[in-house]
Amino acid sequence: SQTIHQWPATLVQPVGSPLSLECTVEGTSNPNLYWYRQAAGRGLQLLFYSVGIGQISSEVPQNLSASRPQDRQFILSSKKLLLSDSGFYLCAWSSPGLLNSPLHFGNGTRLTVT
Amino acid sequence: GQQVMQIPQYQHVQEGEDFTTYCNSSTTLSNIQWYKQRPGGHPVFLIQLVKSGEVKKQKRLTFQFGEAKKNSSLHITATQTTDVGTYFCAGDAGNNRKLIWGLGTSLAVNP
Repeated sequence: SQTIHQWPATLVQPVGSPLSLECTVEGTSNPNLYWYRQAAGRGLQLLFYSVGIGQISSEVPQNLSASRPQDRQFILSSKKLLLSDSGFYLCAWSSPGLLNSPLHFGNGTRLTVT
Repeated sequence: GQQVMQIPQYQHVQEGEDFTTYCNSSTTLSNIQWYKQRPGGHPVFLIQLVKSGEVKKQKRLTFQFGEAKKNSSLHITATQTTDVGTYFCAGDAGNNRKLIWGLGTSLAVNP
């Protein structure tokens, strides 16, 4: 069966510090991978998605970036965090092919920028 | 732009009462998905509706997709405390465009 791992679970970082969140998926090949952010426990905002290694689509211009160095690894990064980057970051995967097949989310990372 | 409106934003019920949340899209959807997020947790996929007028049931949960494929509802019969959480709908407008998420309905259940 497929599993998704996301870490760390919580993170407190000062403004201006770098960020690296990692997500890996097991049990499937060539999944579609996504990074979402959820602010204030409400709506989900798509940040990035990837349909294959090295292929990244950005949905919202900001100081975040994503990379997919391996088929089942997705990384979210920032060189300098802003206060507004605080939130709940969720990695998700879906079956290869159709971009909007059902999403399977990781446990998320709660990021607080101080 | 394309939007999915979800109502109500919050709902507080007594255990045993029914609950319904509604999603309305500004555009025709190829499918709609429903997710549940428990407090402090991550969204979990519940179901996907594809066909016009489709009705699917999962135990006490009934999902409907409108005839015009622009609206959907989730109905819970006889709520239990385990139903607490936020229910999201997400619409797929097709052509590999990104999912359009509703803002969710937060359900609280008094025991």
